[in-house]
Amino acid sequence: TQLLEQSPQFLSIQEGENLTVYCNSSSVFSSLQWYRQEPGEGPVLLVTVVTGGEVKKLKRLTFQFGDARKDSSLHITAAQPGDTGLYLCAGGAETSGSRLTFGEGTQLTVNP
Amino acid sequence: DSGVTQTPKHLITATGQRVTLRCSPRSGDLSVYWYQQSLDQGLQFLIQYYNGEERAKGNILERFSAQQFPDLHSELNLSSLELGDSALYFCASSGGFPGGEQYFGPGTRLTVT
Repeated sequence: TQLLEQSPQFLSIQEGENLTVYCNSSSVFSSLQWYRQEPGEGPVLLVTVVTGGEVKKLKRLTFQFGDARKDSSLHITAAQPGDTGLYLCAGGAETSGSRLTFGEGTQLTVNP
Repeated sequence: DSGVTQTPKHLITATGQRVTLRCSPRSGDLSVYWYQQSLDQGLQFLIQYYNGEERAKGNILERFSAQQFPDLHSELNLSSLELGDSALYFCASSGGFPGGEQYFGPGTRLTVT
């Protein structure tokens, strides 16, 4: 069974601070996706990384896929209250077809 | 807007009842996934359909069933409802390719009283 562990589970910071959340597994994934979910709404896809070592930037968000394709990180620079939400990572593997394995999420709160 | 629609948005029903949740995937997507999200829990995968056929099963209870119709919309049927079935139910769609991106609908909030 493939598992994705996210850390930290909860993170509360002040506006303007930087933060990094992690997504780790003992399994290799062919792709890794990050989603953000706001209360009562569906997760929204932020980015997909597919190549080991790949780095993608989305404004103040930087996503990295580990060289071995077993882990990923999301770094947010100068966090804003609008970044508040549940961040979920999800891995896709050839052996799982199109099904994704989701982590439990990191609940981020950015205080003004 | 992800392009995935779900109805109803909210549903309140009593224990022992049966409900049907509906999902329409993004145009062109052949695969539909159903997830359950209870309070303070992550997304629990229930079941996947691809072009009308069941493709994968997760932690879906025997009281729950789903199907995907020829027009690719899907329905999730929940029967003999219990208080513990209260949750957000999400539908997602994708092209059905390994590692492909999934796009989520806005969800149905089910409350069982």
